[in-house]
Amino acid sequence: GAVVSQHPSRVICKSGTSVKIECRSLDFQATTMFWYRQFPKKSLMLMATSNEGSKATYEQGVEKDKFLINHASLTLSTLTVTSAHPEDSSFYICSARDSGPEGKNTEAFFGQGTRLTVV
Amino acid sequence: AQSVSQHNHHVILSEAASLELGCNYSYGGTVNLFWYVQYPGQHLQLLLKYFSGDPLVKGIKGFEAEFIKSKFSFNLRKPSVQWSDTAEYFCAVRLNSGNTPLVFGKGTRLSVIA
Repeated sequence: GAVVSQHPSRVICKSGTSVKIECRSLDFQATTMFWYRQFPKKSLMLMATSNEGSKATYEQGVEKDKFLINHASLTLSTLTVTSAHPEDSSFYICSARDSGPEGKNTEAFFGQGTRLTVV
Repeated sequence: AQSVSQHNHHVILSEAASLELGCNYSYGGTVNLFWYVQYPGQHLQLLLKYFSGDPLVKGIKGFEAEFIKSKFSFNLRKPSVQWSDTAEYFCAVRLNSGNTPLVFGKGTRLSVIA
């Protein structure tokens, strides 16, 4: 089945630094990828929709300057948490669906998630 | 706005008991429906999905779900749970138009005790 690879799986960083998380679709092309954030004991909340070759669309309340999204190719989207603070500590998950004709009736595939801890 | 409600926050069952997890959504249009499972320390995995056709959907590991359009529901069922079913279960809905994101319920934690 289709695979979405997310890297790194865990990262610990100091306050004020930036962290980049990569999301790759390994065997399909995805013009759109989604970034979610999962708080402890909470559901996945959509942060933004990443569009290949254009600007990301952010959900209400998500700071676009803090969570920079780049979708430079059909298989790669990156989320950069800039000037990280302890309250940014969370589990970040990306998702992608096959954009091609084969993907019309398929589910979204999820990356393994990235556990970010800001100290 | 679309929303998904999962009524049970935490369910505790003994092995071999039957399971039903509730899921209701609020959207009047055509939707795609999903149940995902997240085992401890692992990423989300698809259990089953509904796009169209037979409203009773069979998934992996003996799970099934029934789409009842009139009730806006997509409840997950399993006749006999196992200890290995201990996990977090998420119901999700997507508008059947374009490349839209999934909207998730808050999840239900299932604990199966021996």
